[in-house]
Amino acid sequence: DSGVTQTPKHLITATGQRVTLRCSPRSGDLSVYWYQQSLDQGLQFLIHYYNGEERAKGNILERFSAQQFPDLHSELNLSSLELGDSALYFCASSVGEGLTYEQYFGPGTRLTVT
Amino acid sequence: AQKITQTQPGMFVQEKEAVTLDCTYDTSDQSYGLFWYKQPSSGEMIFLIYQGSYDEQNATEGRYSLNFQKARKSANLVISASQLGDSAMYFCATPNAGGTSYGKLTFGQGTILTVHP
Repeated sequence: DSGVTQTPKHLITATGQRVTLRCSPRSGDLSVYWYQQSLDQGLQFLIHYYNGEERAKGNILERFSAQQFPDLHSELNLSSLELGDSALYFCASSVGEGLTYEQYFGPGTRLTVT
Repeated sequence: AQKITQTQPGMFVQEKEAVTLDCTYDTSDQSYGLFWYKQPSSGEMIFLIYQGSYDEQNATEGRYSLNFQKARKSANLVISASQLGDSAMYFCATPNAGGTSYGKLTFGQGTILTVHP
């Protein structure tokens, strides 16, 4: 158990809908990273927050947004869902930001868009 | 930009034997790090081991060790005394050293390891 929690574990929804994925980092970790894992794209970085501030964006679609709250939990919002958004979404947390801080991953949320 | 290459889509090993999973990286940064993660069929990503570019010794964590060859830009994972529970997908990754995506991980395509009894 990495200490990072993600809810829900599974999510099945229809095209055009909106969903919210939630992540609670390990106690004491200030950084939260979101990644998407799909068969065709592999593991892709989406967005990074550090202590409530957005620090970096990767290949995140405009239909996707995220935030990190004062208690450091984070939410990833996916809207106008398409079939291609079906993937495993991970959040990872680390104490800081940078080269030497291990990122500990949550169990992931498996999103299926039908 | 960072790039990680894992050239072995699949590897097989007999239980109790050692296995090496290959990883080569491409980075122009002077200081960088390399991570290995394990992803079992259940889906979670498990941190295994970390190697910093300026670490003088190869990293070791229990049965996992890194064969780090800086000149060759390779950071191969060695698993000793393989166990059935080692069967999983293994990813090599490196974090961005700067710029606008500092700290984000770039992953290789992964290697599926199967341990035979």
